[in-house]
Amino acid sequence: AQKVTQAQTEISVVEKEDVTLDCVYETRDTTYYLFWYKQPPSGELVFLIRRNSFDEQNEISGRYSWNFQKSTSSFNFTITASQVVDSAVYFCALSARETSGSRLTFGEGTQLTVNP
Amino acid sequence: GAGVSQSPSNKVTEKGKDVELRCDPISGHTALYWYRQSLGQGLEFLIYFQGNSAPDKSGLPSDRFSAERTGGSVSTLTIQRTQQEDSAVYLCASSPGLAVDTQYFGPGTRLTVL
Repeated sequence: AQKVTQAQTEISVVEKEDVTLDCVYETRDTTYYLFWYKQPPSGELVFLIRRNSFDEQNEISGRYSWNFQKSTSSFNFTITASQVVDSAVYFCALSARETSGSRLTFGEGTQLTVNP
Repeated sequence: GAGVSQSPSNKVTEKGKDVELRCDPISGHTALYWYRQSLGQGLEFLIYFQGNSAPDKSGLPSDRFSAERTGGSVSTLTIQRTQQEDSAVYLCASSPGLAVDTQYFGPGTRLTVL
């Protein structure tokens, strides 16, 4: 079975601080995909990034960066110089087709609050 | 282009009534998913449609839940004889249906069963 663990339930930071959201996953599949989604107070899940299991290159997009390490089964997400608009719930998710088809298995989410 | 749309945005119903939730996927997307988000259970997969293939219903929690997709586009999730534990946000997502898919989500329908 697939499992995604986001151990941090809530994080509170002050604007301009860097913050890292942790994600640890479990799967027996050799091919899988990892995702991060943002859920702002409006409620809609917004896609941020997708990585496949064969590509461990870290990725940077503006203030966002992602660190994928297969050795530790982690896919962590860092926001640099956080802003109030970054306040949201962030979900890490896993898609492992061999054993669970196309469904996404989500972590419990991390509530990030950025205070001015 | 337009994203995934869902209606209604909010639905309040009485225990025992049937409800229908609608999802309009992104145009051209062949795959459609329903998920449920509730406080105690997080985000759970319910059902998946891909083109004309038989749907993957393995996430439906009971036989009171059913879904259909007409004409390969719009989908309706039906909950019969609603119970209070059905209260949740029901999210629909669609994807292009390719081998490597990103799912794009709608705004959800908040269902409250009194």
